[in-house]
Amino acid sequence: DAGITQSPRHKVTETGTPVTLRCHQTENHRYMYWYRQDPGHGLRLIHYSYGVKDTDKGEVSDGYSVSRSKTEDFLLTLESATSSQTSVYFCAISVGGYSGNTIYFGEGSWLTVV
Amino acid sequence: TQLLEQSPQFLSIQEGENLTVYCNSSSVFSSLQWYRQEPGEGPVLLVTVVTGGEVKKLKRLTFQFGDARKDSSLHITAAQPGDTGLYLCAGVSGGTSYGKLTFGQGTILTVHP
Repeated sequence: DAGITQSPRHKVTETGTPVTLRCHQTENHRYMYWYRQDPGHGLRLIHYSYGVKDTDKGEVSDGYSVSRSKTEDFLLTLESATSSQTSVYFCAISVGGYSGNTIYFGEGSWLTVV
Repeated sequence: TQLLEQSPQFLSIQEGENLTVYCNSSSVFSSLQWYRQEPGEGPVLLVTVVTGGEVKKLKRLTFQFGDARKDSSLHITAAQPGDTGLYLCAGVSGGTSYGKLTFGQGTILTVHP
């Protein structure tokens, strides 16, 4: 599992509340990613990070923010959750950090916004 | 925006049959990866193909990368119930994209005993 831990694994929250998902890695890899998975869409990149305090947007970044204050932690925040953000969220790391290297995924965080 | 079209979306077959899953794009990728995902878990990398025309075999699974590096296929010979799962192709962007993945929609494979 490449030492990736996601928390919480399951969460139900109300519309309009803030939510933070945490991704923790134990191997100090530089590149980390947040994806969401929805039926019929595969996985879509939300945000990614290429180092401490270095982050950039993916293809579905609206409504999400991220922070990376330490190499090992990459946080995904929904400032004001909406029902369209009900999804499964996966954190991933890139071993080596360059295209073609192995991407390892965490076990996922199931978020339901009611 | 790069897109990957994966087909078929659903595949239900009997044990022992062969099958092929296709992954097509109008964009060129630096490499293409295939993942398998079990319910309740994250995707797990099966293979990476890098060179146009490349063919890789993993036991009963054969992966091919198109000559123009825009398409790929996954062929499973003599499918077994243990092959059941979600199969995803993903294009890897190179250069300054730091290995970002563009995923196809996925193929849900069910192999019946």
